Amino acid sequence: GQQLNQSPQSMFIQEGEDVSMNCTSSSIFNTWLWYKQDPGEGPVLLIALYKAGELTSNGRLTAQFGITRKDSFLNISASIPSDVGIYFCAGPNNYGQNFVFGPGTRLSVLP
Amino acid sequence: DTEVTQTPKHLVMGMTNKKSLKCEQHMGHRAMYWYKQKAKKPPELMFVYSYEKLSINESVPSRFSPECPNSSLLNLHLHALQPEDSALYLCASSLAPTSPNMGYEQYFGPGTRLTVT
Repeated sequence: GQQLNQSPQSMFIQEGEDVSMNCTSSSIFNTWLWYKQDPGEGPVLLIALYKAGELTSNGRLTAQFGITRKDSFLNISASIPSDVGIYFCAGPNNYGQNFVFGPGTRLSVLP
Repeated sequence: DTEVTQTPKHLVMGMTNKKSLKCEQHMGHRAMYWYKQKAKKPPELMFVYSYEKLSINESVPSRFSPECPNSSLLNLHLHALQPEDSALYLCASSLAPTSPNMGYEQYFGPGTRLTVT
């Protein structure tokens, strides 16, 4: 089945720094979704992307739908302590119902 | 309002117990989902209900039994679980499972932390 890969697996950054992470697939995705999960909580939807090349922002977050439709990028500008968490990319498989999650990127922000 | 609620927040049960997890949404969504998440892993899809009908069962053992009484409610009945079933159980909902664009946006509840002893 379709699988998603995320890099980096984890990252430690200083508060105020910008962050960039990406998600790749061996097959085409028509939708990319980015979620953030805090420990013990459910994932929270950050950004949804529906068109190849689309660039969408949500506050300090910006995500892009790759032109090849096999990747997506998430950038966080001027990181703050509350950005700490696990960031997952996700999307529907070919049939639209089965949701696939990437393994996640764990972000730590050092004061 | 993008709220999905789940009860209970925490549940400890023995292997011979029967318990139920509950999920509720009032966003008019017609697709609801159960996921299982182990520590440091992404959520794994268990079941999908589409218009109150079970549309996907990802080869989940029969000791997990889902139920969708109406379009707002989703239950997961648990019976004779094993310690390896301990995990965070997440409920999610979306407008519809196959509608283009916004139909794919899934909104998650806070989860039920299940411990099987």
